[in-house]
Amino acid sequence: EIVMTQSPATLSVSPGGRATLSCRASQSVSSDIAWYQQKPGQAPRLLIYGASSRATGIPARFSGSGSGTEFTLTISSLQSEDFAVYSCLQYDQWPRTFGQGTKVEIK
Amino acid sequence: QLQLQESGPGLVKPSETLSLTCTVSDGSISSSSYFWGWIRQPPGKGLEWMGNVYHNGNTFYNPSLESRVTISVDTSRKQFSLKVSSVTGADTAVYFCARVAVGNWFDPWGQGALVIVSS
Repeated sequence: EIVMTQSPATLSVSPGGRATLSCRASQSVSSDIAWYQQKPGQAPRLLIYGASSRATGIPARFSGSGSGTEFTLTISSLQSEDFAVYSCLQYDQWPRTFGQGTKVEIK
Repeated sequence: QLQLQESGPGLVKPSETLSLTCTVSDGSISSSSYFWGWIRQPPGKGLEWMGNVYHNGNTFYNPSLESRVTISVDTSRKQFSLKVSSVTGADTAVYFCARVAVGNWFDPWGQGALVIVSS
């Protein structure tokens, strides 16, 4: 099973600031990674797929990069609605596995 | 726009079987382009993929749960279902259903159903 490790566990950022979230895979997953945003009591919302492609309706301030084992989600200018938990998913191999999440909180 | 909705008991006794149903609306469950999946999230923890089902009934399960999990599909009702047998407190979680593009990511998701395992 591929283990997805996210860091940091919590990230404190000021509104308007930049957030950089990391996801590391225990073995190569090519570019088969997605990023999700989740707010309390809500379902995860797809942000990024294929490591760097934004899902429909996702603002351009969200960007993804990386391949192989190292991936990054960047939020360029945090808005109030962006404070949430972000999780990565690898869909390269079975079983599909998620990271434990990074909480982005207001500084 | 495709929507999914989970339904089922919110409280299950230890050692019994947890059963949930996901109803698909505003879209086809029989498309050859998609699987249908279940994912769960214990309180305060990360997401765990449980398994997928294809419209023809083919299934893929997480090996860590395979001995206790059954996923089935009823295309006539536009529903797919999850059963988890012999539940314990560790099965307390929010259970999500989702659409899965073949081989790909989960999108969209249902709103989730909290299931508590307690006597």
